[in-house]
Amino acid sequence: GPKVLQIPSHQIIDMGQMVTLNCDPVSNHLYFYWYKQILGQQMEFLVNFYNGKVMEKSKLFKDQFSVERPDGSYFTLKIQPTALEDSAVYFCASSSGGQNTEVFFGKGTRLTVV
Amino acid sequence: GDSVTQTEGQVALSEEDFLTIHCNYSASGYPALFWYVQYPGEGPQFLFRASRDKEKGSSRGFEATYDKGTTSFHLRKASVQESDSAVYYCALGEGLSGKLTFGEGTQVTVIS
Repeated sequence: GPKVLQIPSHQIIDMGQMVTLNCDPVSNHLYFYWYKQILGQQMEFLVNFYNGKVMEKSKLFKDQFSVERPDGSYFTLKIQPTALEDSAVYFCASSSGGQNTEVFFGKGTRLTVV
Repeated sequence: GDSVTQTEGQVALSEEDFLTIHCNYSASGYPALFWYVQYPGEGPQFLFRASRDKEKGSSRGFEATYDKGTTSFHLRKASVQESDSAVYYCALGEGLSGKLTFGEGTQVTVIS
């Protein structure tokens, strides 16, 4: 079936440094998402992106976070600077439509901030 | 804001047992309701959805019926297998963007 690819699968970074998480969404999908999952806890929505713009972001999407998809390449989540509480698994997702449409998730990037 | 509550945090069963996971939601309007399953090391995978009152969603022997009166979407399977061991998430789809609000998740462990 359709796959969302996330690169890298693991990332360890020093607190205060910048990190970029990369996502290759399902081709022809138009809506893109990032979710955050702290170990053992539920999935939490961070942000969604459509037509080159952020549609909605949660309160977890701090000012240090940004997303973009330049020229239809990777959909990226950048954190600058990172903080210890940013340690989590970040899942990228995409869908072809909006409401009621199946959302496809990647396997996640485990980010560890030390 | 909108929210989803799953009553069971962990469920342990034997093969061929009946599984029920309770899901209740709180939302304005008429959200779509979903069940997702997550295996270790993977992202959540779509199981099925329902979009209107009394609609039943089903897949792989799992089913749930959208009940607007009780604001519920309980997951059921008549006879579980060891391969059904995973974390199950009830989710609510909001607005035009397809944003999902997830419940806390239920860890299902099936022992052969």
